[in-house]
Amino acid sequence: ETGVTQSPTHLIKTRGQQVTLRCSSQSGHNTVSWYQQALGQGPQFIFQYYREEENGRGNFPPRFSGLQFPNYSSELNVNALELDDSALYLCASSLEGTDEQYFGPGTRLTVT
Amino acid sequence: AQTVTQSQPEMSVQEAETVTLSCTYDTSESNYYLFWYKQPPSRQMILVIRQEAYKQQNATENRFSVNFQKAAKSFSLKISDSQLGDTAMYFCAFMSASGDMRFGAGTRLTVKP
Repeated sequence: ETGVTQSPTHLIKTRGQQVTLRCSSQSGHNTVSWYQQALGQGPQFIFQYYREEENGRGNFPPRFSGLQFPNYSSELNVNALELDDSALYLCASSLEGTDEQYFGPGTRLTVT
Repeated sequence: AQTVTQSQPEMSVQEAETVTLSCTYDTSESNYYLFWYKQPPSRQMILVIRQEAYKQQNATENRFSVNFQKAAKSFSLKISDSQLGDTAMYFCAFMSASGDMRFGAGTRLTVKP
């Protein structure tokens, strides 16, 4: 167990809808990163938040957005869902100044 | 942009034997970190081993060790005395100094009894 939790475990949405995924980081971890893992592929970096500000972004469109809260929780929001957004979404928390990331179990999103 | 390549989509090994998983990467940076992560069927990503690029000594964690060749941009993982619980997807990952982490496509390892 890494101490990082995510909710929900599974989610089914319809194309065009909006979705919010949640992550609870390890206590004291002020950095959270989000990844998209398509079936059979490695995780792709979406963005990172540090002290509630976006601190880096991968090659994802603006309809992917996030929030980080002072209580070490965070959200990934995806608007206008597309079929290709179907994937496992992972969050990972880390402590400022360290390189080790602790991953949550992921949320499996299916878009129909 | 940094890229990570794992050229072995699947591998298998007999229990108690040794297996090596390959990884190469491409970067122009001099300061970075390399990782091997394990993702079992339960899907939670677990750190296996890490290597700091400025350290020449290869990292070792119990049965897991790496062969880090910085000039060749190669970072292979050796698993000794393979156990059934080692069956999982293994991902090689590169992290730049800015914290941006890139993963390879993974190698599915099966340990056979």
